[in-house]
Amino acid sequence: EDQVTQSPEALRLQEGESSSLNCSYTVSGLRGLFWYRQDPGKGPEFLFTLYSAGEEKEKERLKATLTKKESFLHITAPKPEDSATYLCAPFGGGYQKVTFGIGTKLQVIP
Amino acid sequence: NAGVTQTPKFQVLKTGQSMTLQCAQDMNHNSMYWYRQDPGMGLRLIYYSASEGTTDKGEVPNGYNVSRLNKREFSLRLESAAPSQTSVYFCASSFGQGDGYTFGSGTRLTVV
Repeated sequence: EDQVTQSPEALRLQEGESSSLNCSYTVSGLRGLFWYRQDPGKGPEFLFTLYSAGEEKEKERLKATLTKKESFLHITAPKPEDSATYLCAPFGGGYQKVTFGIGTKLQVIP
Repeated sequence: NAGVTQTPKFQVLKTGQSMTLQCAQDMNHNSMYWYRQDPGMGLRLIYYSASEGTTDKGEVPNGYNVSRLNKREFSLRLESAAPSQTSVYFCASSFGQGDGYTFGSGTRLTVV
């Protein structure tokens, strides 16, 4: 059975304090991994797709990296507007083979 | 620039009642999905439609039915609601498998 674990469950940072979120997984036939951001009361918002180990993608203060067994979302000099829950979702072959993690709830304090 | 539109946003049902959640996308996406999100659990796939004219079960299909009405619209029906179906329901769409999904804003359903 495919499994996804995100850590930490919650993270509180001071504005400007950089950190990383982890997503570890066991997925048969891994083809890639999604990262999403979810604000309270809203649907997830797509951030990145990573397809192969060693791949990196950046968007503003966010950088996502992928290894064979885990992915990291690095947040550099975060701002309060980066506060959200970040979800990772590795996927294998088939539409039903997308497994969402529970997420890391990030709070950035001014 | 609507993206994915879901209706209604909130709904309270009594056990045994039926209802249909509506979803429409305006991005010419081929694939559409219905997920539910419960506290302490990741998003779980209920049904999906890889392309117009096809639908398939996801991880948790029991108690639900779907209709892909056309390329834009994908509805989710609860025939006889149960308290276990209390959840937040999200519709999503994508160009295809492996492409990032665009999610709607969700329907918060309570079954009493």
